[in-house]
Amino acid sequence: QKEVEQDPGPLSVPEGAIVSLNCTYSNSAFQYFMWYRQYSRKGPELLMYTYSSGNKEDGRFTAQVDKSSKYISLFIRDSQPSDSATYLCAMTGESSGSARQLTFGSGTQLTVLP
Amino acid sequence: DTGVSQDPRHKITKRGQNVTFRCDPISEHNRLYWYRQTLGQGPEFLTYFQNEAQLEKSRLLSDRFSAERPKGSFSTLEIQRTEQGDSAMYLCASSLQGARTNEKLFFGSGTQLSVL
Repeated sequence: QKEVEQDPGPLSVPEGAIVSLNCTYSNSAFQYFMWYRQYSRKGPELLMYTYSSGNKEDGRFTAQVDKSSKYISLFIRDSQPSDSATYLCAMTGESSGSARQLTFGSGTQLTVLP
Repeated sequence: DTGVSQDPRHKITKRGQNVTFRCDPISEHNRLYWYRQTLGQGPEFLTYFQNEAQLEKSRLLSDRFSAERPKGSFSTLEIQRTEQGDSAMYLCASSLQGARTNEKLFFGSGTQLSVL
């Protein structure tokens, strides 16, 4: 069993929809949680960064972490065709939040239809 | 463009050949990482440099793989005697170690390796 599980999709939604992306994990040492967006033939780009449990909002994006359930979510409001990409969750247990040993999920492919 | 630059973007090679990839990080970043990503999977950590020192290597990094960062700036990743299982996207990333704990990783666009 992988340390981080992520539904690969593909997920297809109409423009303007609310998108919910999720990951579960098994390692209770993870305490820093990230969401990356990866366009085709590009490297991942950091979208959201949260520490421990709670919510964080940035524009149309909201990240939630529930450490008791070992479950993290990314919500995208008013989704746009430009949001079409693969979304990767990542996490680390490094005490300093270092990116040295990020563990990634396998990614969810999202398509937002105009 | 001041982002992370990787060269080449694509490499096709025959099994048994050696290949070398180059990464130029963001100029002020002191940390440099190599990750590998196969189709339908997330990136997997390979190795990490702080300045010129290689501080960590994943067990995924077999003896056929070697990475260097000779002057603490650009880095090279060499794969000797390539195997078909080495086919993947090789991603380089850099970051700036600082007082803040939320270290942000910047990825390059990767080198896509195909071993025939």
